[in-house]
Amino acid sequence: SAVISQKPSRDICQRGTSLTIQCQVDSQVTMMFWYRQQPGQSLTLIATANQGSEATYESGFVIDKFPISRPNLTFSTLTVSNLSPEDSSIYLCSAGQGSNQPQHFGDGTRLSIL
Amino acid sequence: AQKVTQAQTEISVVEKEDVTLDCVYETRDTTYYLFWYKQPPSGELVFLIRRNSFDEQNEISGRYSWNFQKSTSSFNFTITASQVVDSAVYFCALSGEGAQKLVFGQGTRLTINP
Repeated sequence: SAVISQKPSRDICQRGTSLTIQCQVDSQVTMMFWYRQQPGQSLTLIATANQGSEATYESGFVIDKFPISRPNLTFSTLTVSNLSPEDSSIYLCSAGQGSNQPQHFGDGTRLSIL
Repeated sequence: AQKVTQAQTEISVVEKEDVTLDCVYETRDTTYYLFWYKQPPSGELVFLIRRNSFDEQNEISGRYSWNFQKSTSSFNFTITASQVVDSAVYFCALSGEGAQKLVFGQGTRLTINP
C-alpha cells in the first residue's frame, strides 16, 4: 500500500495568513484527495486533486479559499487562504489507485488559528 | 446521493466484551465499495477493510469481523474480546462506481475500559 507523508504535522497561524500543506506519496497514484475534519466531526471531502488540470471541488469549497496543486502523480499541495478561526481543523490527504482499491491517508495536519 | 449513517455516537464497554458498530448506507449505484477506518487518539486514519457490493461474504480478521448485508444496506463491524487498544473513533465510508471519493459516516467513538 502507498505510504503518504504529509507536512507540516501541525501549525498555529495568524488570522488572515495562509498555510500550504504538502502531501507526498511514495508511488505514483491515480487519485489524490483532500479532506477536512473539523473538531469532533467526521471527514468531509474538499476536492479531488487532478494531475495536470484544475482540482474538482465539492459543494461548499472554492478554489480561492482552498487552492490545490498537483504537478505530478506523487505530490499535491493544499493551501488554506485568508485563515480564520473556523479553519481550525485537521486536513488530511489521501491517495488511491482506483475505486476498487483502499484509500490510504496521511497522518494529517492539525491547524489552529490564533 | 450517497449517505452513510453511524447511529451510535459513542459506545463504552469493559475490556473483553464483544462490541458491534453499526453502519447503514444509501446509494443508487449498482457497484460500490464500503470501508471501515480506525482513528486512534493520535489522529491518523488506519484502513481496516474494503468490501465491494458484489461480495456479501462475511470477513474475519483476528478479533475483527464484518457483516455485510445488502438487503438491509448495512455493513456492521464487530470486535470480539475487546481490548483497551481498540479505543478509537471508527468510521464507515462509501465510494460509488467510478468515483473514488469517500463519503464518511459521522463516526463512532469506542471506549474500552480496563
